[in-house]
Amino acid sequence: EVQLVETGGGLVQPGRSLKLSCVASGFTFSSYWMYWIRQAPGKGLEWVSSINTDGGSTYYPDSVKGRFTISRDNAENTVYLQMNSLRSEDTATYYCAKDRPTEGIVFAYWGQGTLVTVSS
Amino acid sequence: DTVLTQSPALAVSPGERVTISCRASESVSTLMHWYQQKPGQQPTLLIYLASNLESGVPARFSGSGSGTDFTLTIDPVEADDTATYYCQQSWNDPTFGAGTKLELK
Repeated sequence: EVQLVETGGGLVQPGRSLKLSCVASGFTFSSYWMYWIRQAPGKGLEWVSSINTDGGSTYYPDSVKGRFTISRDNAENTVYLQMNSLRSEDTATYYCAKDRPTEGIVFAYWGQGTLVTVSS
Repeated sequence: DTVLTQSPALAVSPGERVTISCRASESVSTLMHWYQQKPGQQPTLLIYLASNLESGVPARFSGSGSGTDFTLTIDPVEADDTATYYCQQSWNDPTFGAGTKLELK
């Protein structure tokens, strides 16, 4: 059974940093791209970042490019999201997700999410 | 970015048929997927590649469309279907619609 467990959320002041982790199990982690998706309170879903199998290629939307960094440790079955220069608009629940490569970027599995609140 | 437009809310009675629409700002072929999200929970995949039912999802759910216009149909609607439904395209960098909140009368 695929399991994704996110940790690391919390309350952080604007301009500060936070690092999220997502531990995966139930599949061969090193064979899959991984993703972060966020959801602001009461709002919709926004893709935040993608990373390929060996961590050599990463992708971001303009809203977080230059501030967020996705990385992975295949030995630890973990994907990370380093968030710097945080803004109030980054307040959201952050989900880790896994796709099914044969069907493109389809978020077939989601973690339970971790809440990040950016506030002074 | 490909913008996906969904109607914000619908209210239907149990047993009825409901269609939820999603329109893309450019053609995404059949690279469209649908998710259900209940309050306080993570989204779950319902339909992938426009019309393929995810394993374990009731056959009451179906999807159709290609190009720019897509539809999620629930027939018949049950009380447990109260949720917000999101479309998502994977033609380019993934984007989601704003969601359609389905309420039961």
